[in-house]
Amino acid sequence: QKEVEQNSGPLSVPEGAIASLNCTYSDRGSQSFFWYRQYSGKSPELIMSIYSNGDKEDGRFTAQLNKASQYVSLLIRDSQPSDSATYLCAVISGGYQKVTFGTGTKLQVIP
Amino acid sequence: ETGVTQTPRHLVMGMTNKKSLKCEQHLGHNAMYWYKQSAKKPLELMFVYSLEERVENNSVPSRFSPECPNSSHLFLHLHTLQPEDSALYLCASSQVLAGASGTDTQYFGPGTRLTVL
Repeated sequence: QKEVEQNSGPLSVPEGAIASLNCTYSDRGSQSFFWYRQYSGKSPELIMSIYSNGDKEDGRFTAQLNKASQYVSLLIRDSQPSDSATYLCAVISGGYQKVTFGTGTKLQVIP
Repeated sequence: ETGVTQTPRHLVMGMTNKKSLKCEQHLGHNAMYWYKQSAKKPLELMFVYSLEERVENNSVPSRFSPECPNSSHLFLHLHTLQPEDSALYLCASSQVLAGASGTDTQYFGPGTRLTVL
């Protein structure tokens, strides 16, 4: 079983729609969760971090964490073509030894 | 320069060469990391340094040798690499070691695209 699992996509959404990206993790002791965006040929850049159950909003982005169900999601409202990228979920558990990334979900926003 | 910088951005080397990758962070962070990103694979954590002390070596072959002379600089020395080592090598830093909520966000450098012939 993969420790951090994401659907590789591509996930295609029309411009202006809501994009929903999901991530599940296996370690119940995980305490820190991150979403990174990575454009092709570039390095990951932080979109959101979330540490407690519930929703966290930042502009068009909302991260949702449910530790009981062991999933974290990212919603992108009013999707723009510039949001087209691969979105990486990262989970930290047990300290530095367990910084685990998912393989990423490729998002395509169609104009 | 701001953030995390890496040099060189691209590197082509033969299997018998010795080269080094350099990372510098200008964020005043205390922890630095090396990651390897291969096509269709998740980022793989290679090494972790906290206050210049190596705290993690994730079963990385000895042909990769890290060095952290101070909290702002991190090197990855390469020798006798294999073609399968071709990948994007990313450096990251965080204020404190990952695991401390709120301050463990990792910021990535632009990466070095390594090709081993």
